[in-house]
Amino acid sequence: NAGVTQTPKFQVLKTGQSMTLQCAQDMNHEYMSWYRQDPGMGLRLIHYSVGAGITDQGEVPNGYNVSRSTTEDFPLRLLSAAPSQTSVYFCASSPRAWNSDQPQHFGDGTRLSIL
Amino acid sequence: GDSVTQMEGPVTLSEEAFLTINCTYTATGYPSLFWYVQYPGEGLQLLLKATKADDKGSNKGFEATYRKETTSFHLEKGSVQVSDSAVYFCALSDRETGANNLFFGTGTRLTVIP
Repeated sequence: NAGVTQTPKFQVLKTGQSMTLQCAQDMNHEYMSWYRQDPGMGLRLIHYSVGAGITDQGEVPNGYNVSRSTTEDFPLRLLSAAPSQTSVYFCASSPRAWNSDQPQHFGDGTRLSIL
Repeated sequence: GDSVTQMEGPVTLSEEAFLTINCTYTATGYPSLFWYVQYPGEGLQLLLKATKADDKGSNKGFEATYRKETTSFHLEKGSVQVSDSAVYFCALSDRETGANNLFFGTGTRLTVIP
């Protein structure tokens, strides 16, 4: 049971570089999301998707893009990396998009450092 | 807007001590409430949840009761073990704001010493 798979686990970038964080789930979940975790701030929502072809912004979307071309994949793109984007990034999914009773399944995270 | 306020840590307890981690919330609508746990180097795992007032969520000896009158969802365990050392997050999902988006507290790091 793979669940939610994130790659890479670690990455170091230079300021101004771009990269894509990958997220895939094999549970046929409708809802997927990206969070960033920073010390003393908990997790904050970056972007989310309620189904293939549908994405929307969360609390902290600036500097990030997403797309949802398939149900399984939800990549997060950093357009031009900045030191403020140094963080741990988590992808999560849940079976149905409009059922807030359902818990989310989280990946193991990507630790990203921007120099 | 929606928000979660969680007891600041870190918390250090001796094995078999009683644990309480306070959590209060503000929500536009009628939220579902969750406690997630993060073990070192891992992602978050659901610990327990409650979806309506007076519901009690429980798992692995942990409990939390959804108190609408005090807008609280405090986490308790009667006797902690070393293996409970982790970071605990209180979170809510508000069906009024749409989708399944989670609002998290800042997290409380628990260390249990033998």
